Amino acid sequence: DIQMTQSPASLSASLGETVTIECLASEDIYSNLAWYQQKPGKSPQLLIYYANSLNDGVPSRFSGSGSGTQYSLKINSLQSEDVSIYFCQQNYDSPFTFGSGTKLEIK
Amino acid sequence: QVQLQQSGAELVKPGSSVKISCKASGYTFTSYDMHWIKQQPGNGLEWIGWIYPGNGNTKYNQKFNGKATLTADKSSSTAYMQLSSLTSEDSAVYFCARSHYSPYFDYWGQGVMVTVSS
Repeated sequence: DIQMTQSPASLSASLGETVTIECLASEDIYSNLAWYQQKPGKSPQLLIYYANSLNDGVPSRFSGSGSGTQYSLKINSLQSEDVSIYFCQQNYDSPFTFGSGTKLEIK
Repeated sequence: QVQLQQSGAELVKPGSSVKISCKASGYTFTSYDMHWIKQQPGNGLEWIGWIYPGNGNTKYNQKFNGKATLTADKSSSTAYMQLSSLTSEDSAVYFCARSHYSPYFDYWGQGVMVTVSS
């Protein structure tokens, strides 16, 4: 199985700041990487697919980048509604595996 | 609009089985894959498997072989997952989620909490 190592596990930042979350795959996943946002008590919502494609309706302050085994999610101009847990997911090979999540809080 | 409406919370006894549902609306049910994902409290997400309702083909995470069985009813646009021989390790929230062509999940159900307790 492909292991997805996500960092940091938690993150605290101020409103308006820029934050970056990283995801490292145990092998090359050829940009088959998605990012999800999960708010407390809700189901995950797709933010980014194919490493850097923004899902419909997702604010442009979210962006994804990376290739090979290393990927990142950047959130510009942090807003209060961005408080969530963020997960990466590889969809290159079955079983499709997720990172362990990053809990984002506002300082 | 696309909606995946899941059945209600379940409290079940160890050793029993449970079948949960996911009713799809707002799109052509038979043209998209339906996946099932497990989330234990405080834990991450685990992919269980998928079914293509168009022909009933399935693919499972080996970890869930023998534990989960996926089916779909085209007439009611509903996908089902049956979990068998339940233990406390199966207590979790289970989500259905849709994908098309590539297995990233663009719509999710609201989740079903399954609690296994005597």
